[in-house]
Amino acid sequence: DTGVSQDPRHKITKRGQNVTFRCDPISEHNRLYWYRQTLGQGPEFLTYFQNEAQLEKSRLLSDRFSAERPKGSFSTLEIQRTEQGDSAMYLCASWTGELFFGEGSRLTVL
Amino acid sequence: RKEVEQDPGPFNVPEGATVAFNCTYSNSASQSFFWYRQDCRKEPKLLMSVYSSGNEDGRFTAQLNRASQYISLLIRDSKLSDSATYLCVVNTGNQFYFGTGTSLTVIP
Repeated sequence: DTGVSQDPRHKITKRGQNVTFRCDPISEHNRLYWYRQTLGQGPEFLTYFQNEAQLEKSRLLSDRFSAERPKGSFSTLEIQRTEQGDSAMYLCASWTGELFFGEGSRLTVL
Repeated sequence: RKEVEQDPGPFNVPEGATVAFNCTYSNSASQSFFWYRQDCRKEPKLLMSVYSSGNEDGRFTAQLNRASQYISLLIRDSKLSDSATYLCVVNTGNQFYFGTGTSLTVIP
């Protein structure tokens, strides 16, 4: 499969726990985006990388959120001390003239 | 003000109908424009890009009016399989801004 892959697809956690999502973009796609989507809303931008450099972060990305892309390939998005309001679909997309999305990681915080 | 405004619908139309979705954007410097389709609990997928000259792909026609900062999508001869959420997407710099999506249900 040469598409964008995300792991895990579903995560249920208790409030206060830390969670980490992984995204493997399409090979050779230099730009990688993270979005969050809640029911009835469009995807909201969180952050993006050009190779390993994190070039922009949304104000939505509080200090509990951190993203990395250490070698310019896969990326991780970590949420510390999760809150119920963090429950959402976390989408990763890689770009080369078109945004290609992964299937998303659905987070439920109890 | 939101970067992209889109009527969330829902639109419920009979098979064979023609339906139009509209979207406005706030930044006149936006460079490129797209319509994405999102099925229930799935990821968004590119439906078509939108050009100033207008473009057509089968039953789908997209239009861009830069002066009015307005984008449209027309679906002719609606099929049951067209039922989905249609997202208007605007590219400004290195950012992609999404509308809330318009929900379409095509009824037999």
